[in-house]
Amino acid sequence: DAKTTQPNSMESNEEEPVHLPCNHSTISGTDYIHWYRQLPSQGPEYVIHGLTSNVNNRMASLAIAEDRKSSTLILHRATLRDAAVYYCILSPAVAYSGAGSYQLTFGKGTKLSVIP
Amino acid sequence: SAVISQKPSRDICQRGTSLTIQCQVDSQVTMMFWYRQQPGQSLTLIATANQGSEATYESGFVIDKFPISRPNLTFSTLTVSNMSPEDSSIYLCSAGTGLGYGYTFGSGTRLTVV
Repeated sequence: DAKTTQPNSMESNEEEPVHLPCNHSTISGTDYIHWYRQLPSQGPEYVIHGLTSNVNNRMASLAIAEDRKSSTLILHRATLRDAAVYYCILSPAVAYSGAGSYQLTFGKGTKLSVIP
Repeated sequence: SAVISQKPSRDICQRGTSLTIQCQVDSQVTMMFWYRQQPGQSLTLIATANQGSEATYESGFVIDKFPISRPNLTFSTLTVSNMSPEDSSIYLCSAGTGLGYGYTFGSGTRLTVV
């Protein structure tokens, strides 16, 4: 599986936007980019995913570089509840074919601290 | 998305004993997984729980130590056998119908072996 690189930690002020970067220079043309986050003492939760185009949902936006070698998770207005470890994960397109199971492989992620 | 109930939420066990962790999903899912997370570390996949067949284990994890059952599309168990203090960790269940819909995780079972 292609590897992702994320900063170990980041800080943000409450109510300000947060841009969490992820480098994936060895991404293949069919790899999807996923983001999950893990709040303290909880299991991870799905945030967003995308392939080539930028994606938006109620939780966040995902901006994908044109060459797809990097992506950025954008939290538009950080709250204290957004303090978590954020994981950027790649998965091959075959995982979407419905043929068998495909597991998520977690890296170290970025620990986001939100300052009141 | 699916909601997972994982039990127990925590336990303290004597070395040499076994603990069975239950994972109940509120809807049918095609995929279920078990992870382990050491304190302050990331998640490590233990195995994929296959419905109606033997689980698929990752390198470093064996069936004799971590037997897994998945009798139907909503339920799975993970047993941690013959426990030692090195098995102290958080064990998490995950489930989903496909990566495109996102996978759901349980809140985890915090296991302490003494």
